[in-house]
Formats: sequence, structure tokens, C-alpha cells
Amino acid sequence: GENVEQHPSTLSVQEGDSAVIKCTYSDSASNYFPWYKQELGKRPQLIIDIRSNVGEKKDQRIAVTLNKTAKHFSLHITETQPEDSAVYFCAARHDKIIFGKGTRLHILP
Amino acid sequence: ETGVTQSPTHLIKTRGQQVTLRCSSQSGHNTVSWYQQALGQGPQFIFQYYREEENGRGNFPPRFSGLQFPNYSSELNVNALELDDSALYLCASSLEGGGNTIYFGEGSWLTVV
Repeated sequence: GENVEQHPSTLSVQEGDSAVIKCTYSDSASNYFPWYKQELGKRPQLIIDIRSNVGEKKDQRIAVTLNKTAKHFSLHITETQPEDSAVYFCAARHDKIIFGKGTRLHILP
Repeated sequence: ETGVTQSPTHLIKTRGQQVTLRCSSQSGHNTVSWYQQALGQGPQFIFQYYREEENGRGNFPPRFSGLQFPNYSSELNVNALELDDSALYLCASSLEGGGNTIYFGEGSWLTVV
């Protein structure tokens, strides 16, 4: 069945350094790839998304890259700050949206 | 805010009981999907409704059912509750079509005891 794999499950980076989270998907018909940030006790919030006709998208400190041939996409956060600490989920959508299992990001002081 | 509202926000039910969760979608959004998020896990797709019909379902048993109304609001019903049904239930709305952004509501926290 359709699947989204996300790595790593936990990531700790020094404040100011960059963080990279990687995902792979199985459904080659997927054409929309959002990333969500979820803080404890709150709903997932969309932070950036990319569609299949684009290879890269950037929004301030956040960027996403997509390799459709390899069926993988990545989230890059530069100049990390304490408020970036949260759980991040990738997802892939064709007719329904499938989420990865999440990455818990810790920003170390 | 996303414009997607869910009720109730928290509830406690006893094993074997039934529960109904409600969702009002963002204005203009005709597609509603429901997700179950257990503690420490990613959201799991339950099902999706488009124009009052289910048009996609995840690996959930038939005791999970839903409805979508003409105004695009939706209900999730769970019968014969089990302890493992304890989770955050998220509703999301979007325009129909795979390339459209989905917006989550705040969720309903269900505890089954």
C-alpha cells in the first residue's frame, strides 16, 4: 500500500545550525508534498509545501526539495532557533494524504 | 487560524460506547478528511468525504463511519469503542484534488476508559 517513510525519528542540533529531515514515498502518482509542525498538545500546522512540478521551494529559513525520480523529498531548516523545537511530519498526497511517522527536533542551547 | 472547527475538544467515553465527533470545514472547501493520531505517532488517514460521499478510506474497521452534509460539515462516528481508540482525532478540509492544501482543525481528544 501507499507509504511514507521519514528519517530520522529524533534529531538534535545546536542552535544556529541547520536541520535536515528526509522522506520517501511509494505512490508515484503523488503530486503534493506538505510539511507540518506540531507542538505538544496542538494540531499540525502547515509550514511549507511543494507540488510535483517544482523541484525546490524556499520560505525564509525553511526550504523543501523534491526528487520525483527517486521519490524523496527533504525539509531544510537553517539558522535554527529554540522555537523550532517540535515534531515535524512530512506527507504525500495523491487522492489521499499519507503522513510519515514524524521527527522530533530538539534545538540545543 | 485555519477556519476548520471541531467539537468537542475533549471527551471521555467508556469502552463499548459510541461517540460522534463534528467538524465544520473552511468556507468553500468541499472535501473533508479525518485522521486518528495516537500519542507519539503521525496522523493516520481514516477516510475522506467529497460532496457527501466517501471517496477514500484507510485501514480502519467498519465501526468507524462518517457523514458529510450539504454544507460540507462532517461527522465521525465510532461504535463499540475500544481502549486503543484513545487518540486525537483531526479533521481537515480542502478543495477536491490531490494538489490542494489541507487545513487541520484543533482536534478532538478522545479518551476511552
